[in-house]
Amino acid sequence: EVQLLESGGGLVQPGGSLRLSCAASGFTFRSYAMSWVRQAPGKGLEWVSAISGSGGNTYYADSVKGRFTISRDNSKNTLYLEMNTLRAEDTAVYHCAKGHNGSYYNFDYWGQGTLVTVSS
Amino acid sequence: SYELTQPPSVSVSPGQTATITCSGDKLGDKFACWYQQKPGQSPVLVILEDNKRPSGIPERFSGSNSGNTATLTISGTQAMDEADYYCQAWDISTTVFGGGTKLTVL
Repeated sequence: EVQLLESGGGLVQPGGSLRLSCAASGFTFRSYAMSWVRQAPGKGLEWVSAISGSGGNTYYADSVKGRFTISRDNSKNTLYLEMNTLRAEDTAVYHCAKGHNGSYYNFDYWGQGTLVTVSS
Repeated sequence: SYELTQPPSVSVSPGQTATITCSGDKLGDKFACWYQQKPGQSPVLVILEDNKRPSGIPERFSGSNSGNTATLTISGTQAMDEADYYCQAWDISTTVFGGGTKLTVL
């Protein structure tokens, strides 16, 4: 059974940093692209970042480019999102998601999400 | 940047057909997929690559994509289908979601 479990969310002040993790199980992690998707309270889905199975290719939304860094450790079956210079508008539930058949979209499995709140 | 546009809301009577559209420039040249999200839950993929149903998704869900519009069709809509629906497409190193459509079954 595929499982994705995010952790690392919490309350952080504007300008602060946070590192999210996503522990994956139930599939060959290194074979699949993974992504982070966020959802602000009461709002729609917003794609944040994606990474190839090997970790050699990364992609970012313009809204986080230069502030967030996606990475993965295939030996630990874990996906990461390093978030720096956080802003109030980064407040959201952050989900990790697995791409179907290696694609960078068609997310066939999602984690339950971890809440990030940026506030003073 | 690429944008996908969905109607904010759609209403349908139980047993009828619900149609949700997603518009984007030359969207038919890309693959589109659809997600269902119920309150307090993570999204569920209901259509991938324009018209394919993942395992476990009921046959009443179908999709199409042509020109500038992708369409999610729910035949014989049930009360359990009431949810938010999002389209998604990939465009030059980024993926984009539509703004979401709230489907009300009444």
